[in-house]
Amino acid sequence: NAGVTQTPKFQVLKTGQSMTLQCAQDMNHEYMSWYRQDPGMGLRLIHYSVGAGITDQGEVPNGYNVSRSTTEDFPLRLLSAAPSQTSVYFCASRVRDGGGSYEQYFGPGTRLTVT
Amino acid sequence: ELKVEQNPLFLSMQEGKNYTIYCNYSTTSDRLYWYRQDPGKSLESLFVLLSNGAVKQEGRLMASLDTKARLSTLHITAAVHDLSATYFCAVDPPNAGNMLTFGGGTRLMVKP
Repeated sequence: NAGVTQTPKFQVLKTGQSMTLQCAQDMNHEYMSWYRQDPGMGLRLIHYSVGAGITDQGEVPNGYNVSRSTTEDFPLRLLSAAPSQTSVYFCASRVRDGGGSYEQYFGPGTRLTVT
Repeated sequence: ELKVEQNPLFLSMQEGKNYTIYCNYSTTSDRLYWYRQDPGKSLESLFVLLSNGAVKQEGRLMASLDTKARLSTLHITAAVHDLSATYFCAVDPPNAGNMLTFGGGTRLMVKP
């Protein structure tokens, strides 16, 4: 049981490039989400999903796309990278409401620098 | 818009001392999370508080939740250097999907 995994761990992009941050979980959790953490700040929600085929926007969705074709995977796409997207990105998952636990599990993070 | 405020933002303590970190939030919620983050690492779950009056303790840390006051506290007893980290609270309001709203964090430094 690997929990929540993220790849890559580090990435440097040039302004205007696109890329996909990968997130996978092997706990059969319905709920998955993406957060970004900027220096000295808490986490801010980008996008989230309550199940396969269902996604919604969080607090800071602009410049990012997501999809949820399977329960296990929740990739985050940067469409045209900008320096303001330099951040650490965390993926998280948990069981649905009523599933017996409200524990959130976080991945190890992806450090992204946009130059 | 839900706001979650922590104070203090930075706390420098001597080993052996006690202190409390406060987490105030602006909307109704009876789910509150506390996390610890070490530099360059991910978030480690400390406590999940699920009802008014909930109190949980683990080692030198104790968390409580007062949903009427919209306040949670994280109390540190007899601090040790290993507790140095950044602590975050996060609120999970009802009917918000998976939307945790985080406080800005409290950076704790425990000096020998």
